[in-house]
Amino acid sequence: AQSVTQPDIHITVSEGASLELRCNYSYGATPYLFWYVQSPGQGLQLLLKYFSGDTLVQGIKGFEAEFKRSQSSFNLRKPSVHWSDAAEYFCAVGASGNTDKLIFGTGTRLQVFP
Amino acid sequence: DAGITQSPRHKVTETGTPVTLRCHQTENHRYMYWYRQDPGHGLRLIHYSYGVKDTDKGEVSDGYSVSRSKTEDFLLTLESATSSQTSVYFCAIRDPSGRNIQYFGAGTRLSVL
Repeated sequence: AQSVTQPDIHITVSEGASLELRCNYSYGATPYLFWYVQSPGQGLQLLLKYFSGDTLVQGIKGFEAEFKRSQSSFNLRKPSVHWSDAAEYFCAVGASGNTDKLIFGTGTRLQVFP
Repeated sequence: DAGITQSPRHKVTETGTPVTLRCHQTENHRYMYWYRQDPGHGLRLIHYSYGVKDTDKGEVSDGYSVSRSKTEDFLLTLESATSSQTSVYFCAIRDPSGRNIQYFGAGTRLSVL
């Protein structure tokens, strides 16, 4: 069965520091991979997506993610974090079959200190 | 932002009462989804629809039913609400590109007392 693991429940960084949020997935074929961000009291906003091709994908708000098939990972990165990046981040994988479901990780809450 | 409106945005109800949440889209997309979000669980799929009157269950469908009589509206009903259904509910629509890109509404916070 497909699954997504986000090992870090909560991460704290200083403003201006670099960031890496981890995501590992279990999937039988080449997955569709997504990162979403959720600000407090808001819905989920799509940050970036990977379908195929170049394994380094760029997203909105200066985020990027790298697909590593050998490690079953799709980690999210940002070189310099801003206070406004404080939010919860979800990794998701596209499931197989005709149902087109997404399987979500449990999320990583990012706190940014000035 | 994707044209998705969820209503109501907040609701408090009592155990045993019926509750209906509405998701309305202006994108004319075929696929619509209902998720619930709970701490430590991320988002879990309740039900989804792949067309008018075509629906299927997700991983946490017990206690919930859905209906889709028009492309633009997808209703989630709790026939007899329980405290375990206190949650934040999100509706999503799927991009028609076929790559399962989903866009989310702002959510409904439901409290069952």
